[in-house]
Amino acid sequence: DSGVTQTPKHLITATGQRVTLRCSPRSGDLSVYWYQQSLDQGLQFLIQYYNGEERAKGNILERFSAQQFPDLHSELNLSSLELGDSALYFCASSGALAGGAEQYFGPGTRLTVT
Amino acid sequence: GESVGLHLPTLSVQEGDNSIINCAYSNSASDYFIWYKQESGKGPQFIIDIRSNMDKRQGQRVTVLLNKTVKHLSLQIAATQPGDSAVYFCAENRSEGAQKLVFGQGTRLTINP
Repeated sequence: DSGVTQTPKHLITATGQRVTLRCSPRSGDLSVYWYQQSLDQGLQFLIQYYNGEERAKGNILERFSAQQFPDLHSELNLSSLELGDSALYFCASSGALAGGAEQYFGPGTRLTVT
Repeated sequence: GESVGLHLPTLSVQEGDNSIINCAYSNSASDYFIWYKQESGKGPQFIIDIRSNMDKRQGQRVTVLLNKTVKHLSLQIAATQPGDSAVYFCAENRSEGAQKLVFGQGTRLTINP
């Protein structure tokens, strides 16, 4: 158990819909990261937040957005969903902003768009 | 373009043998490299990391080697066990002032009894 929790574990929704994925980092970790894992794209970094502020952006679509709240939990919002958005979405956390900080991954949310 | 790639997508070894998983990276400015293990149905799990100012680092049954000249990273697992069966990813950190990991496609390691 990494200490990172994600909800829900599974999510099935239709195209065009909007969903929110939730992540609670390990106690004391200020950095939260979101990743998407699909069969054809592998594990892709989406975005990093540190203590409530966005700090790094990866291959995140404009239809996707994220935020980190004062209690440090984070949410990833996916809107206008397409079939290709079906994937595993992982949240990770670390204690540091940058450099060599081990990231601890949550169990993931499996999103299926039908 | 950005790429962190693996030489072999699958690797099968006999239980008790040593295994070596390779990874090539493209950005010579990357300063931090990590190996993750992902078991079926779980999130990636940190195995070992290495900074660019090192060429070797050892952990428990695992060793990571970094060759910056040819931009190559390898993970050696000694005396493999059935529990080592998983997909292994290398990742590099490319962003100063933040942590933006770029992952390779992964190698599936299968341990044969």
